[in-house]
Amino acid sequence: DQQVKQNSPSLSVQEGRISILNCDYTNSMFDYFLWYKKYPAEGPTFLISISSIKDKNEDGRFTVFLNKSAKHLSLHIVPSQPGDSAVYFCAASVMKTSYDKVIFGPGTSLSVIP
Amino acid sequence: DTGVSQNPRHKITKRGQNVTFRCDPISEHNRLYWYRQTLGQGPEFLTYFQNEAQLEKSRLLSDRFSAERPKGSFSTLEIQRTEQGDSAMYLCASSLFDGNTIYFGEGSWLTVV
Repeated sequence: DQQVKQNSPSLSVQEGRISILNCDYTNSMFDYFLWYKKYPAEGPTFLISISSIKDKNEDGRFTVFLNKSAKHLSLHIVPSQPGDSAVYFCAASVMKTSYDKVIFGPGTSLSVIP
Repeated sequence: DTGVSQNPRHKITKRGQNVTFRCDPISEHNRLYWYRQTLGQGPEFLTYFQNEAQLEKSRLLSDRFSAERPKGSFSTLEIQRTEQGDSAMYLCASSLFDGNTIYFGEGSWLTVV
């Protein structure tokens, strides 16, 4: 029972263009969402997050959009750079209670082509 | 470096042996998490501590797995009688009590042969 889904295992984008990574969730209790980036043989690195009270959060080239009614969020990277090539994990948690473990999706492998 | 530290980074062991991984969280973080990641999957939650108290254990954590955080600082994850299916990257993360974000270490790779 996968509560956080990333239906695209991989994505290729030309350098300079926009990368859009998508994520869907099933648990309506989730109220905090995160994106992590992971290079091979390293631990995931936190990128950006968004609370359910917002529908957009921006940090430099990274923007996360949240559509609560559709239980969908997306990460936009613009412009994409070769160094962005990595696996991106969407994650979600319930922050309203003390039960706040973070649940991860299976990841999307992004390749930015020079 | 004040990030999450894990060791050993790599461990190759024979089936049936015991292994132990150590995690040193970010110093002011009182929550500590263990996750496991296999190829093609996202990190899977195993267990977490708030200070020295183990507050939740996943069903993935069989009886052969035990985690401790005796003084609310570093943590150990022990796997007894390892099986080939235990081969994975074991990730430790930490966060503040009221923090919304968890921060991962570099991970410990386990290969059971």
